[in-house]
Amino acid sequence: EVQLVESGGGLRQPGGSLRLSCAASGFSFNVYSMNWVRQAPGKGLEWLSFISGSSDTIYYADSVRDRFVISRDNDKNSLYLQMNSLRAEDTAVYYCARVRGTSLSAQYFDYWGQGTLVTVSS
Amino acid sequence: QSVLTQPPSVSAAPGQKVTVSCSGSSSNIGNNYVSWYQHLPGTAPKLLIYDNNQRPSGIPDRFSGSKSGPSASLGITGLQTGDEADYYCGTWDSILSAVVFGGGTKVTVL
Repeated sequence: EVQLVESGGGLRQPGGSLRLSCAASGFSFNVYSMNWVRQAPGKGLEWLSFISGSSDTIYYADSVRDRFVISRDNDKNSLYLQMNSLRAEDTAVYYCARVRGTSLSAQYFDYWGQGTLVTVSS
Repeated sequence: QSVLTQPPSVSAAPGQKVTVSCSGSSSNIGNNYVSWYQHLPGTAPKLLIYDNNQRPSGIPDRFSGSKSGPSASLGITGLQTGDEADYYCGTWDSILSAVVFGGGTKVTVL
């Protein structure tokens, strides 16, 4: 059974840092690209970042580029999101999601984690 | 403001049909594949449709997807109370080099 479990959320002050983790199980993690997606309170889904299975292709949304860093450790079946220079507007539930599809233009997210809450407030 | 435009809400009585629209442009929907997700706050989003009109195993055929030019739509027939949720369209944007989602549509069963 495919499982994605996020962890690492919590309360941080503006300007602080936080590292989210996503533990994957039930599939060959190194074969799949992965994404991070978030949902701020009362808002819709917002895509944040993509990383290929071998980490050679990475994309970021403009809203987090230069502040967030996506990475993965295939030996540990884990995906990470290093979040720096946090702002109040980064307050959200953060989801990791597995990518399927034959190309970037055909990608979709077939499994999602339950999410971890990040709150940025002084 | 989302790159893809969805109506904030749609509603219908049990057993009826609703259609959720998703409008984009040639850089996203017009030249890439669309997927649809069902989301209940506090839970993991669920894939309903991929490749514009394909259903994953386990998704009933009450859910259907279509695409025409820069627009896509999700249809739900035989509406049930359990279908009350937020629905999102998503696709790749070739100019932004980013995944883009619609703003979400809340489906209400009257």
